[in-house]
Amino acid sequence: EDQVTQSPEALRLQEGESSSLNCSYTVSGLRGLFWYRQDPGKGPEFLFTLYSAGEEKEKERLKATLTKKESFLHITAPKPEDSATYLCAVENAGNMLTFGGGTRLMVKP
Amino acid sequence: SAVISQKPSRDICQRGTSLTIQCQVDSQVTMMFWYRQQPGQSLTLIATANQGSEATYESGFVIDKFPISRPNLTFSTLTVSNMSPEDSSIYLCSVQGSGHNYGYTFGSGTRLTVV
Repeated sequence: EDQVTQSPEALRLQEGESSSLNCSYTVSGLRGLFWYRQDPGKGPEFLFTLYSAGEEKEKERLKATLTKKESFLHITAPKPEDSATYLCAVENAGNMLTFGGGTRLMVKP
Repeated sequence: SAVISQKPSRDICQRGTSLTIQCQVDSQVTMMFWYRQQPGQSLTLIATANQGSEATYESGFVIDKFPISRPNLTFSTLTVSNMSPEDSSIYLCSVQGSGHNYGYTFGSGTRLTVV
């Protein structure tokens, strides 16, 4: 059974204080690992897809990396508007997504 | 990426009644996915809906409770039947993106409260 564990569950940062969110996974035949942002009352918003160990992708203040067992979402100099829940999900060989519990990020001005 | 319109955005329903949620996609897609997100929890897949065939349900979800229709390649409905307060959740539909940098696109969600 595929499993995704995200840590920490919640993270409070001061504006400009860089940090990383972790996503540990076990999956049968990784097709892709996804990062999403979810704001309260809204559906998840797609951020990145990573396919293989060593891959990195960046978007504004966010950078996602992937190893064979985990992925990190690095947030550089965050702003209050980066406050959201960040979700990680893996897709297995059968095209099934398994989501982690998410990390609730709060960035204070 | 595809754009999904999901309706209603929220509803408050009496226990024992049913609610049908609609998802309209702006392009043709083979598979549509329905998820449940219980309060404070992550997303759990309810079922996968293919056009022209019966939906495939995940463990713990049954067709009598969550009937799904998929009449064409751009539209699907999920009904939550005989509701109880435990059904209070956000329900989301999703489609798979295309191309190398694909990701699954989600609707804006339906926040259901059963009283």
